[in-house]
Amino acid sequence: DTEVTQTPKHLVMGMTNKKSLKCEQHMGHRAMYWYKQKAKKPPELMFVYSYEKLSINESVPSRFSPECPNSSLLNLHLHALQPEDSALYLCASSQRDSRYEQYFGPGTRLTVT
Amino acid sequence: AQTVTQSQPEMSVQEAETVTLSCTYDTSESDYYLFWYKQPPSRQMILVIRQEAYKQQNATENRFSVNFQKAAKSFSLKISDSQLGDAAMYFCAYTGGANSKLTFGKGITLSVRP
Repeated sequence: DTEVTQTPKHLVMGMTNKKSLKCEQHMGHRAMYWYKQKAKKPPELMFVYSYEKLSINESVPSRFSPECPNSSLLNLHLHALQPEDSALYLCASSQRDSRYEQYFGPGTRLTVT
Repeated sequence: AQTVTQSQPEMSVQEAETVTLSCTYDTSESDYYLFWYKQPPSRQMILVIRQEAYKQQNATENRFSVNFQKAAKSFSLKISDSQLGDAAMYFCAYTGGANSKLTFGKGITLSVRP
């Protein structure tokens, strides 16, 4: 199984809502990543978890809160988002760290109204 | 800081022809890793090819090969016998050590003409 799954596929939320994005992999990978991607742009790294510990936080606003409950799961909790946060949110995993191939999920298309 | 430059925003190739996508990078590190990722329209990003800087031999994966020029800090991707399914956005990416992040270039949109 070389798949990274993400739910939901699409999400529309108001600026006062609280929602969560979920990512799962069963490849035994020990590094997991959250990226934000705008149309026709490269992914922008948000967070990296290494062995279930947060290792990189790219100065992301506190309205985004990551969580790694176990080695297979990664969540991104969203609260009080702004319209400019509308984007494709990608999850990825790799064997140990960024030197290894990253396997990407299909993403969650988020629209903030 | 490391930077990755893809100066061509778009390219087009005739089916069955060969195309080369350019990428340059800037780093002061001696040990690093380079990647080409492919993102088809509305589909998942996947790895095309990976190169370890300490290996002098250019990486190859079927129709995809790289021309890695370490001194020139250049890492171009050659796609041979282009197919319609090669149409996608291609990102060149760089990472240094274990605690480094993956830095992407701006990407290039490749279209394939039938």
